[in-house]
Amino acid sequence: AQSVTQPDIHITVSEGASLELRCNYSYGATPYLFWYVQSPGQGLQLLLKYFSGDTLVQGIKGFEAEFKRSQSSFNLRKPSVHWSDAAEYFCAVNTGNQFYFGTGTSLTVIP
Amino acid sequence: AAGVIQSPRHLIKEKRETATLKCYPIPRHDTVYWYQQGPGQDPQFLISFYEKMQSDKGSIPDRFSAQQFSDYHSELNMSSLELGDSALYFCASSSRETGWNTEAFFGQGTRLTVV
Repeated sequence: AQSVTQPDIHITVSEGASLELRCNYSYGATPYLFWYVQSPGQGLQLLLKYFSGDTLVQGIKGFEAEFKRSQSSFNLRKPSVHWSDAAEYFCAVNTGNQFYFGTGTSLTVIP
Repeated sequence: AAGVIQSPRHLIKEKRETATLKCYPIPRHDTVYWYQQGPGQDPQFLISFYEKMQSDKGSIPDRFSAQQFSDYHSELNMSSLELGDSALYFCASSSRETGWNTEAFFGQGTRLTVV
């Protein structure tokens, strides 16, 4: 069965520091992976996606993610966090008929 | 650019009432997904439609039903509402023409409160 695990429920980083949010997936076929960001009371905004090819994908707002098949991971990174990045981040796998979401990681940015 | 439109944005209903949520996908998108997100929870898949036919079904209660119409908009009908149905309901749309497993664009959601 397919599933997505985000081990970190909550992360706090200082503004300007680097960030890495972890995501592990379980899926029998080639995974199609996504990272979404959600601000309080808002919808889900796509940050980036991986379908095939280059395992390092660039997204919006300076985010990037690296697909590692051997580790079944798709970790999200940002070299320098801004206060406006504080939000909930969801990793997801798309099987064609539906998206499976992780439980999310809440990011707090401190001055 | 046009996005996924959901209406209403907010809805307050009493227990045992019914509610209808509407979703208008991005033009030329043929697939619609419905998700339920409880407070502090991740989105849970309810149901999806492709070309007006149900394509997959998740944890949708029997009290709920949904359909996709000829203009591709979708409606989620919820009956005998319970307090536990209070949640943010998301609709998303995608287009299989652009490739399998393409990204889905999410609407702003409908916040349903059952009192």
